[in-house]
Amino acid sequence: DSGVTQTPKHLITATGQRVTLRCSPRSGDLSVYWYQQSLDQGLQFLIQYYNGEERAKGNILERFSAQQFPDLHSELNLSSLELGDSALYFCASSALGYEQYFGPGTRLTVT
Amino acid sequence: AQRVTQPEKLLSVFKGAPVELKCNYSYSGSPELFWYVQYSRQRLQLLLRHISRESIKGFTADLNKGETSFHLKKPFAQEEDSAMYYCALGYSGAGSYQLTFGKGTKLSVIP
Repeated sequence: DSGVTQTPKHLITATGQRVTLRCSPRSGDLSVYWYQQSLDQGLQFLIQYYNGEERAKGNILERFSAQQFPDLHSELNLSSLELGDSALYFCASSALGYEQYFGPGTRLTVT
Repeated sequence: AQRVTQPEKLLSVFKGAPVELKCNYSYSGSPELFWYVQYSRQRLQLLLRHISRESIKGFTADLNKGETSFHLKKPFAQEEDSAMYYCALGYSGAGSYQLTFGKGTKLSVIP
C-alpha cells in the first residue's frame, strides 16, 4: 500500500456527462500528479499540482481540469465526456520528486 | 522533447530463461531513468532507478548514454515476475519534476 488513495474505484457514466475523481496523497507529500492510462497510449501525464498550485501540464484536454485543496487532496474533473475518455486514471504523489507513489486508480467507463 | 520507447508490447519467456526488457530514450539534458512495475490488480510501483545502481528482485538496469538505452535485465525469470513494466524518464523544468513513461511491456513468464 503506497498510502495514496483514490475514489471511486469504478465509474460508469454516459457521454456528455461530467465526473469528478478524487485523490488523497501520502501524508506529507505536497506534489500530486494525474495520469491517464489507456491500452493504446500507455501512461500519459495529465497535470501536476504542488501545494495547491498548478506546476506542470501534460496532454490534458481542455474539457479536463484539476485542483488541489488546502488539505492537499486533489480532484480531477472530466466534462463533456466522450467514449474515448474511457481509461484508468491514476494519481501519484511525491515528496522528493523522482519517486512517485501511485494510487490504485479509478476506472472510468463512458457508454 | 523527451521520449521513451519500449519497442515490445509483449514479451514471453520461459521460467529460468534470461529476460531483457528494452527501453530507449530521447532527451537533450542529463537523464534520470526509472523502471516501474505493475503486477496484476496492483498499483504501479517503483522497481529501480539508474542513479542507485542497485538490484531489486534480481533485476538490474544500466544506463547506456551512448546508445540512449536503459534496458532491464534478469538472468533467470520467475513466474512472479509476470507483470507490466514501464520505463520512465525523469526531468526537471519550470519548477517541477516530471516523469515521461514509455507505453510499457507486458512480461509473461511461462512455467
